[in-house]
Amino acid sequence: DGGITQSPKYLFRKEGQNVTLSCEQNLNHDAMYWYRQDPGQGLRLIYYSQIVNDFQKGDIAEGYSVSREKKESFPLTVTSAQKNPTAFYLCASSIRTGRNGVGNQPQHFGDGTRLSIL
Amino acid sequence: AQSVTQLGSHVSVSEGALVLLRCNYSSSVPPYLFWYVQYPNQGLQLLLKYTSAATLVKGINGFEAEFKKSETSFHLTKPSAHMSDAAEYFCAVSGLNAGGTSYGKLTFGQGTILTVHP
Repeated sequence: DGGITQSPKYLFRKEGQNVTLSCEQNLNHDAMYWYRQDPGQGLRLIYYSQIVNDFQKGDIAEGYSVSREKKESFPLTVTSAQKNPTAFYLCASSIRTGRNGVGNQPQHFGDGTRLSIL
Repeated sequence: AQSVTQLGSHVSVSEGALVLLRCNYSSSVPPYLFWYVQYPNQGLQLLLKYTSAATLVKGINGFEAEFKKSETSFHLTKPSAHMSDAAEYFCAVSGLNAGGTSYGKLTFGQGTILTVHP
């Protein structure tokens, strides 16, 4: 079955450490997204990518970095500069959006990674 | 810029009662609207989407939503609640920018936690 796989499910970060969250999809989607979810705040967009080797900052990109070297993979690194990294992180993908109303394509989500501070 | 407001962070109903989850949006151009459901420690699943084809949209699990432009609303309803409907529900909007393109950036509401009592 096609879908999005996020790993690990739970992750712990030590002070001053960078950690990387994995996101892989086999839906053949061009667009991929990373969201952060905190209780009572909905989902906030960290980074998104519409095509391989290209990505844009979302609303809360500070302290995070991404790469998009392959269509099916969009890893997120939470750097030591992110002072409050404890959250639930969700990866999503969709058909590439753009002109002619393609923005109506829904996003498909993985099951998330819960990051905590040691 | 677009925004979404979900009225009521918590809604409680009895099994068999009507479910009504409220969502109001703001967008300078005709929006695309989505409802997602999230079960504990999982990602989001698409319930339904509005893409201008019909104002009454039917989704999965017996849910439906009506787009009312005059009220800028997209409320989610289900005639008879089931225990398995207990989850968190998110309304989201994807707006077209002034150039007529949309990059699939979703703006999410804060979420509404639905509790169903026996």
